Order: sequence, then structure tokens, then C-alpha cells
Amino acid sequence: AQSVTQPDIHITVSEGASLELRCNYSYGATPYLFWYVQSPGQGLQLLLKYFSGDTLVQGIKGFEAEFKRSQSSFNLRKPSVHWSDAAEYFCAVGRTGSARQLTFGSGTQLTVLP
Amino acid sequence: EAGVTQFPSHSVIEKGQTVTLRCDPISGHDNLYWYRRVMGKEIKFLLHFVKESKQDESGMPNNRFLAERTGGTYSTLKVQPAELEDSGVYFCASGGGREAFFGQGTRLTVV
Repeated sequence: AQSVTQPDIHITVSEGASLELRCNYSYGATPYLFWYVQSPGQGLQLLLKYFSGDTLVQGIKGFEAEFKRSQSSFNLRKPSVHWSDAAEYFCAVGRTGSARQLTFGSGTQLTVLP
Repeated sequence: EAGVTQFPSHSVIEKGQTVTLRCDPISGHDNLYWYRRVMGKEIKFLLHFVKESKQDESGMPNNRFLAERTGGTYSTLKVQPAELEDSGVYFCASGGGREAFFGQGTRLTVV
């Protein structure tokens, strides 16, 4: 069975600092990987996705993520965090053939200090 | 184009009552999914519709939960009778291509 681990429950960074959110997955084949963000009072918004090809993927709002098969990781990065990035971030894996049926990690809550 | 819409945004009910959540998917999306996040836990898959048919309902917690999708358009998720552990946020998503588009969720509180 597939699983996703987000080891950091809560991360605090200062505005303008760089950010890396960790995600490790367990899946027997090449996974479809996603990062979603949930801002307060909002739904889940897709930041970026990986299906195949270039292992460094660019997303919205200046985010990027790198797929590392050898480490079973798909970490999310942003070079300079803005106060509006404060939200909860979810990594998810979709199984081949049903990319939309997702297994989520437990989420990482990001706090941004002024 | 309208996104996935869920009603209500919040619901507070007493234990033993019935609640019905509604999801309107993006027009033209045959695939519709329900997910749930219980407090402090991960978001978990409940079930998957393809048009009006249940493709996979392996995530439904028990028979107090009933999902329907009328005519392959909107979907409802009924909880009857509600228990305290049903509290959480219920998300609906619809699928186009290889992506899932989520609604804003319904926060259900059972007291």
C-alpha cells in the first residue's frame, strides 16, 4: 500500500527566508506526486505535480519540488517566503492509473514571521 | 469556469442526527471523489464515483455513511446517525485529466 510521510508537523520561518518542506513516499511503482496548499478558510489548491520527465518541477506562487527516486522524496522548496505563504501544505501520491485517487501526508503547518 | 462547490461550509449537529453534505463538481467531470480529514489526522479517501456509479468505496468508514450521485452530476454524502468521531472536514474533488480539483470543504462538528 502506498503511504506519504511529512515529518515536520509545524515549521516557522521568517519572511524572506528560504523554505523546504519534506515529503517521503512509499509506492511500488513510479508515483504521481502532488503538493497542495490549504490557506485559512480555503480549499485545497494544487501547487505543483510530477508525473514523469524532468525531476525538478515548477509550480505556482514561486514553489518548486524535486523528485528523487533514490530517496523516495518529493520536497517542496521556495527561495524566499512571503507572509501570504502561511498555510498548511500537503504532499500526496496518486497511484498509477488513478492519479486523482490520492493518499495524503498528515500536512505541515507553515508559520511566517514578519 | 466554476470550481468544485460544497454545501454547507459548516454544519454543527447533535449526536444521533442526520446531516447531508453536497458537492457540485466541475461541469463535465465524470470522476468525483470524497475525502475526509478528522482532527489532527491526514486527509483520507472515502470513495470515488465515475458518473453515477461507485467505482471504489473502500474508504467509507461504516454503513452510517451513504453517498449518492444523481444523474452523474452533483453528489451527496449523508451521515445517519452522526457520531462524535464523524467530526472533521469533508472534501470533495472532481477529476479532469490527471488532476483532482478540490472544493473548499465542509466542516462538520458533531456535539
